Amino acid sequence: DTGVSQNPRHKITKRGQNVTFRCDPISEHNRLYWYRQTLGQGPEFLTYFQNEAQLEKSRLLSDRFSAERPKGSFSTLEIQRTEQGDSAMYLCASSLRTGTGEQFFGPGTRLTVL
Amino acid sequence: GENVEQHPSTLSVQEGDSAVIKCTYSDSASNYFPWYKQELGKRPQLIIDIRSNVGEKKDQRIAVTLNKTAKHFSLHITETQPEDSAVYFCAASGILGSWGKLQFGAGTQVVVTP
Repeated sequence: DTGVSQNPRHKITKRGQNVTFRCDPISEHNRLYWYRQTLGQGPEFLTYFQNEAQLEKSRLLSDRFSAERPKGSFSTLEIQRTEQGDSAMYLCASSLRTGTGEQFFGPGTRLTVL
Repeated sequence: GENVEQHPSTLSVQEGDSAVIKCTYSDSASNYFPWYKQELGKRPQLIIDIRSNVGEKKDQRIAVTLNKTAKHFSLHITETQPEDSAVYFCAASGILGSWGKLQFGAGTQVVVTP
């Protein structure tokens, strides 16, 4: 395990479809974060987990978005009834609660909603 | 909530010159300030960070300064090289005993011309 991995790397879907992304954090990291990044902007916080507990969810996050981390390891982010405005890069990051604070990012999943 | 502003949005420098990027934050409770570098099509990677009990930190050609009173922090890159060309993001986080979400600035596109 050399870093955070995300799958798929690219997803093209039609408006109204549901999509699910997966993030595998660095194995010993107990914190996991989801961010969304649109072109020309910095990553925007969506939600984060400590182990399996979802500690915070952005107030900007629509009810169409849901995230899980059932066993405190990998996480999934689901978007229901996708809209064109959901097109973005979805980044996952992980960190160690008692570590330096550095968040290690995955390569992201590029979502395009047609 | 926290709001981070970053300037300039683009910065063009001659190789060998210095580059300075400035950020301001709004939440006086924020106490962790990382800087990430993102090359085109790649994941953000931490290049340096600073905590609120420190005023300045250096790592080779990179330095970060923090002014808690004014709520601003800056990234300084000396002796710039073409490989420094990338988008740089500042971020701020409030830590309550552990490492929390990051609020990012909008980014600075740095172009180093030979």
